[in-house]
Amino acid sequence: EIVLTQSPGTLSLSPGERATLSCRASRSVSSASLAWYQQKPGQAPSLLIYSASRRATGIPDRFSGSGSGTDFSLTIRRLEPEDFAVYYCQEYGTSPFTFGPGTKVEI
Amino acid sequence: EVQLFQSGGGFVQPGGSLRLSCAASGFNFNGYGMTWVRQAPGKGLEWVAGILGSGRRTYYADSVKGRFTISRDNSRGTLFLQMSSLRANDTAVYYCTKTGGTGWQLDSWGHGTMVIVSS
Repeated sequence: EIVLTQSPGTLSLSPGERATLSCRASRSVSSASLAWYQQKPGQAPSLLIYSASRRATGIPDRFSGSGSGTDFSLTIRRLEPEDFAVYYCQEYGTSPFTFGPGTKVEI
Repeated sequence: EVQLFQSGGGFVQPGGSLRLSCAASGFNFNGYGMTWVRQAPGKGLEWVAGILGSGRRTYYADSVKGRFTISRDNSRGTLFLQMSSLRANDTAVYYCTKTGGTGWQLDSWGHGTMVIVSS
């Protein structure tokens, strides 16, 4: 089982600032099999990025993903008020398709 | 529009059983893998189980293997999760999810259904 570690646990920023979230895997992950999700309080998660860098349908271009091997990142170029949420990475190339513990982006 | 309508959650005693259902619409159901993901109160996401579009192959997290069974009825566009030998730490919101066409990324999520295991 691949273990994902996310850092930081909490990121305190202001609207308009840039956010960089990290996801590290316990062993190499195919770039085709790394996703990022956003979850707002009281809501189901939603897909942001898949295949490490491809934006899901309807996701604004201020969200970008990058990385390979064991190190991946999600960048939010200029935080909007609606971007304050919890973000999870997930590896989906090898069952079980584990999630990271999440990074909370707060004001 | 993809819609995933979940039902079947509730309260059950330890050792008991429960079946979750997820009625799908708005896409070619048998063309996509489906999964269940859960989230314990105040905790992160845990992938639980997955099933190919054909239903021929299933996958499970170690924490539920041998106790939970994922299945689907493609004629009815419905996904199931049969849960048995339930434990207190199975208490969570359970989400039904649809995978993307290119892999097991989860591009649509149901609203979630709460399962509480307690005596």
